Amino acid sequence: RKEVEQDPGPFNVPEGATVAFNCTYSNSASQSFFWYRQDCRKEPKLLMSVYSSGNEDGRFTAQLNRASQYISLLIRDSKLSDSATYLCVVLPYNNNDMRFGAGTRLTVKP
Amino acid sequence: DVKVTQSSRYLVKRTGEKVFLECVQDMDHENMFWYRQDPGLGLRLIYFSYDVKMKEKGDIPEGYSVSREKKERFSLILESASTNQTSMYLCASSTDLSGNTIYFGEGSWLTVV
Repeated sequence: RKEVEQDPGPFNVPEGATVAFNCTYSNSASQSFFWYRQDCRKEPKLLMSVYSSGNEDGRFTAQLNRASQYISLLIRDSKLSDSATYLCVVLPYNNNDMRFGAGTRLTVKP
Repeated sequence: DVKVTQSSRYLVKRTGEKVFLECVQDMDHENMFWYRQDPGLGLRLIYFSYDVKMKEKGDIPEGYSVSREKKERFSLILESASTNQTSMYLCASSTDLSGNTIYFGEGSWLTVV
């Protein structure tokens, strides 16, 4: 079993749609969680951190479910510019050992 | 803005060649990393360094070595390139060990033929 698992997609959605991705992790000791965005043939960039209480940044909402060991990313009112691969990242506490999911590919179509 | 620069974006090398991938960061970060990214596997850590001349093996160090003679520069070396090292290589740097302060270079696409 992979340490961090994501549905690879692709998710093809129309503009304006709401789309959600999940990511499961196997290490129950993990303390920090993030979503990164990676455009085609570019480097990953931090989209948002995921806090225990859930957090929102504009059209993006991230949630953490420790009991079931998954995090989620919800994108509302999808834009064409949201088309990218979204990487789930999990970090054990104070450990230089980031674990990356393989990514979920999203394509938003006109 | 933090800048992590990978000098070579696209390389094609022959099996058995020695390959150097260079990475420079301009923000005086202590920590630097080399990852490779392959379809379906995500990013995997090859080596990291938390100080000049210090290095630690990551998950997949076999076939690679690194050098950090100066704080701003972290080099990845393939002593004898093999076709299974064809991949996209990402360098990164960070101020600490939390996941929200890591910055990546644009990546180096290496093809070994």
